[in-house]
Amino acid sequence: EAEVAQSPRYKITEKSQAVAFWCDPISGHATLYWYRQILGQGPELLVQFQDESVVDDSQLPKDRFSAERLKGVDSTLKIQPAELGDSAMYLCASSFGTEYNEQFFGPGTRLTVL
Amino acid sequence: DAKTTQPNSMESNEEEPVHLPCNHSTISGTDYIHWYRQLPSQGPEYVIHGLTSNVNNRMASLAIAEDRKSSTLILHRATLRDAAVYYCILRGINQGGKLIFGQGTELSVKP
Repeated sequence: EAEVAQSPRYKITEKSQAVAFWCDPISGHATLYWYRQILGQGPELLVQFQDESVVDDSQLPKDRFSAERLKGVDSTLKIQPAELGDSAMYLCASSFGTEYNEQFFGPGTRLTVL
Repeated sequence: DAKTTQPNSMESNEEEPVHLPCNHSTISGTDYIHWYRQLPSQGPEYVIHGLTSNVNNRMASLAIAEDRKSSTLILHRATLRDAAVYYCILRGINQGGKLIFGQGTELSVKP
């Protein structure tokens, strides 16, 4: 069964360092999402791509976060510089379309900022 | 964005049915009701969704009130593997596909 791949699974970094997360969606899925999940809370959308274009980044802290999906397939989410409050699970999801299609989530990257 | 209200936690016994409630009194006519669950240390996974009529799939059933202001996710025979956080989410046509998660209900299953 096709799955969303994410790496690394765990990342520990010091504040002010740069970190990057990678996501490979299910083949053929045009829509890709990055969510952030703080411990004890539900995931929150950071950015949504339709192919290579950003369609929603209203909750992305653009002063330190960036995301790209250059060829409309895999995607990278970067944080520079990392802050203590960025410690969270970063989840990638993909779907065939947008409106009501099921989203498939990856296992996430657990980030700890020291 | 229309909001949902769920109990913070529920308990169930293994092999018994579980009814997980969700209130969504401000739901609009075009909002679909989606349920996702998140097992420990995993990403969320889709469970079921519906608009007006009750829905069944291999994982669960979704019962939607006639006025659509509430719904219930039904697990017919809970197993230990069903222990997870269950999220009830409204998805509208103006949301562009994103899921707006609340706190969810943490379901524990006792052997």
